[in-house]
Amino acid sequence: EVQLLESGGGSVPPGGSLRLSCGASGFTFSSYAMAWVRQAPGKGLEWVSSISGGGDGTYYADSVKGRFTISRDNSKNTLFLQMNHLRAEETALYFCAKDTSAWPNSPFDFWGQGTLVTVSS
Amino acid sequence: EIVLTQSPATLSLSPGERATLSCRASQSVNSYLAWYQQKPGQAPRLLISDTSNRATGVPARFSGSGSGTDFTLTISSLEPEDSAVYYCQQRSSWPPYTFGQGTKLEIK
Repeated sequence: EVQLLESGGGSVPPGGSLRLSCGASGFTFSSYAMAWVRQAPGKGLEWVSSISGGGDGTYYADSVKGRFTISRDNSKNTLFLQMNHLRAEETALYFCAKDTSAWPNSPFDFWGQGTLVTVSS
Repeated sequence: EIVLTQSPATLSLSPGERATLSCRASQSVNSYLAWYQQKPGQAPRLLISDTSNRATGVPARFSGSGSGTDFTLTISSLEPEDSAVYYCQQRSSWPPYTFGQGTKLEIK
């Protein structure tokens, strides 16, 4: 059974940093691209970043480019999102999601339950 | 960036009725359109990929159709558990992936 478990969320002031993690199990982690998608309270879904199965391709939404870094440790089946210079409007539930192929640009067939990031002074 | 517009914003129907949800793209996405279901307090669930391919375990009452810029998710006979928000997503012009704003389906 595929399982994705996010952690690392919390409350930070504007300009602060957080590192999110997503532990994966139930599938060959290195064979699939992964992504982060966020959802502000009461709002819709917004793609944040994706990474290829091997980690050699990374992609970002324009709104986070230069501030967020996606990475993965295939030996530990873990996906990361380093978030710097956080803004109040980035308060959201952050989901990790599994692609259906090794390269990004495929549907997300499994999602974690999310970790809440609150950016507030 | 491709913008996806979903309609209606809210749909209220009775069990057994047919639901038709629309997703319109600002430019062609070919067939690269997916649908997700999100229930309150839960993560999204993939229902349909590439316009019409049902994901594993998705009931046959869910079907997708369309091409180019106009797509439809149809639920043939509503069940109470179908109450949720439904999102469309394109991967034709990527990055970025973009999502529609969602249609809230209420079952009376």
